[in-house]
Amino acid sequence: GNSVTQMEGPVTLSEEAFLTINCTYTATGYPSLFWYVQYPGEGLQLLLKATKADDKGSNKGFEATYRKETTSFHLEKGSVQVSDSAVYFCALSDPQTGANNLFFGTGTRLTVIP
Amino acid sequence: GAVVSQHPSWVICKSGTSVKIECRSLDFQATTMFWYRQFPKQSLMLMATSNEGSKATYEQGVEKDKFLINHASLTLSTLTVTSAHPEDSSFYICSATHSSGRTDTQYFGPGTRLTVL
Repeated sequence: GNSVTQMEGPVTLSEEAFLTINCTYTATGYPSLFWYVQYPGEGLQLLLKATKADDKGSNKGFEATYRKETTSFHLEKGSVQVSDSAVYFCALSDPQTGANNLFFGTGTRLTVIP
Repeated sequence: GAVVSQHPSWVICKSGTSVKIECRSLDFQATTMFWYRQFPKQSLMLMATSNEGSKATYEQGVEKDKFLINHASLTLSTLTVTSAHPEDSSFYICSATHSSGRTDTQYFGPGTRLTVL
């Protein structure tokens, strides 16, 4: 079956620190992979995505590379800001049904302190 | 582009009453809309999938008579929580996908926080 496992939080970092949030997946076939971000009081926003192996998604300084060999899609940012404080969700879509079947991890709360 | 809105953003109601939540795609036509429920500090749980003009498909364990979904147009879906009880208090989030063929990305609304007293 399809599932997503991401590191448990919460994660607390100082401003300008390096961020890694681990995400691994289990899927039948070749899913698309996503990172969504949820800022306080808001809904989820698509942060980045990758649709095939070795693709790198990037946005707002965040990056994640689709690693088929390790079934991973770890989120990284070189220098976090206070405004990056949010909950980050890793997700995959079933390749056969596309967006009709989106599987989410449990989310990782990031707090960045000045 | 690809903006999804929800109304209301929060609602408080008495036990036993019904509450309707609207989900609109503002700048695109949505073939499919999804309704999720999010408990505190947990991930999103898909409740149902709705396609314009047809009945919603509910996930296992979700009561279709309690959570009524209507998808009357390509830009509007509604979720009605009937005879709400305190255990229905949650954050309800909708999302939508394009009808242009780009079906691999869901665009999410800001969510509606329901509190049942």
